[in-house]
Formats: sequence, C-alpha cells, structure tokens
Amino acid sequence: ILNVEQSPQSLHVQEGDSTNFTCSFPSSNFYALHWYRWETAKSPEALFVMTLNGDEKKKGRISATLNTKEGYSYLYIKGSQPEDSATYLCAFKKSGGGADGLTFGKGTHLIIQP
Amino acid sequence: EPEVTQTPSHQVTQMGQEVILRCVPISNHLYFYWYRQILGQKVEFLVSFYNNEISEKSEIFDDQFSVERPDGSNFTLKIRSTKLEDSAMYFCASSAGFGANVLTFGAGSRLTVL
Repeated sequence: ILNVEQSPQSLHVQEGDSTNFTCSFPSSNFYALHWYRWETAKSPEALFVMTLNGDEKKKGRISATLNTKEGYSYLYIKGSQPEDSATYLCAFKKSGGGADGLTFGKGTHLIIQP
Repeated sequence: EPEVTQTPSHQVTQMGQEVILRCVPISNHLYFYWYRQILGQKVEFLVSFYNNEISEKSEIFDDQFSVERPDGSNFTLKIRSTKLEDSAMYFCASSAGFGANVLTFGAGSRLTVL
C-alpha cells in the first residue's frame, strides 16, 4: 500500500502572508508527483506535475519543489489572497508504465482570512 | 477552456439498485479515469481506460463495477448492485497522455446509497 501524507491537514493564514505545506510520498519507484487545487463544489484543478529530483515549478504566486530521494514536496504560496482558499491535494504516481492510477494524499485545507 | 462534464451531479439510490454515472471527457484526450472519494477519506483510484479497454484497475473495482465508452464521447461507470459503502463522490478525469500528464477532472457525481 502506497502511503502519501500531507501536512498540515488544515491551515488558517492571514491575507498577505506567505505559507507552505508538505506532501510526503514513497522514495522508491517514483515516477511523478502531481499537485491539484480543489475548491468546494468545483473540479480539482491541476497545478503542477514534477518528475525530476530538484524540480521547482512556479505558477504565479504558487510554487512547488520536489525531493524524490527523501520523498517530499513542498507547495508555497506567496502573499496569500482569499481566492487561494481551497484544498490542495498531492498525488504520487509510481513507476511501472501504463496509465496507472494516482495515489492521493488527504489534502491540506487552506483558509485565507481577510 | 475545455472541461470534463459529469452527470448526474447527485444521485440517490436504494441498496441493490444499478447506477450509471456518465462523463464526457475532453475530446482530444486518450486516457480516461474514474476516482472516488468517500466522505472524509482520500481520493481513491478506481480504473483507467485507454484504447477502448481497461488499462488498470484497483482492488476497489470489483465485479460490481464496469466501465464503457459506448460512443465517441461518453465514458460511463456502472455499479451493478449498489451497497451502502458505495456512497461517495465519483470523479471522472481524462488526460492527453499518461505518466507525467496532468489529469483534468470533472466536478464529480455524488452517489448516496440508502
């Protein structure tokens, strides 16, 4: 059973502050690490897919890093805005080829307080 | 922007009844998936579908479940005889390729089994 853990489970951040949270995943048989942003009553929306150790990706105020050797990824949000309030999901894809399923973490529920 | 559409958004059914959940993936995507999330738990992989056949399925996807792509646009999930524990949000997703390609998710179909 693949174990993908996210911490913290929930987070309250003041508008304008920066924040980060963690996804940990198996360090063996790594293929890719996905991050999704999920607002209530909407579809999960892809943020990043990372495949290489040391990868850093950025999309506006959101960025992510990847350490495959130790099995973790950080998601950073700079200057949080109320519209950043959502659940952030990470998902691990193991190597082995084929259209394999993703193993998701439980998510970090982020609330930005004005 | 292209999106994955799912119907119905919410279905209530009696235990033992058959249920069909429908999805229209993005038209030029080749890989299709079903995931589910039981309330309070992680999003779980059910099945992936490529080239008109199942590519991979999880332990959850037992004989009670089936998928079909009956025409060029729809992708359906059928549960033959629903159980209480099938109550969940079911997400359809599609991707252009596999591996490091992001998934585009639908907004989900909430299934409640009474």
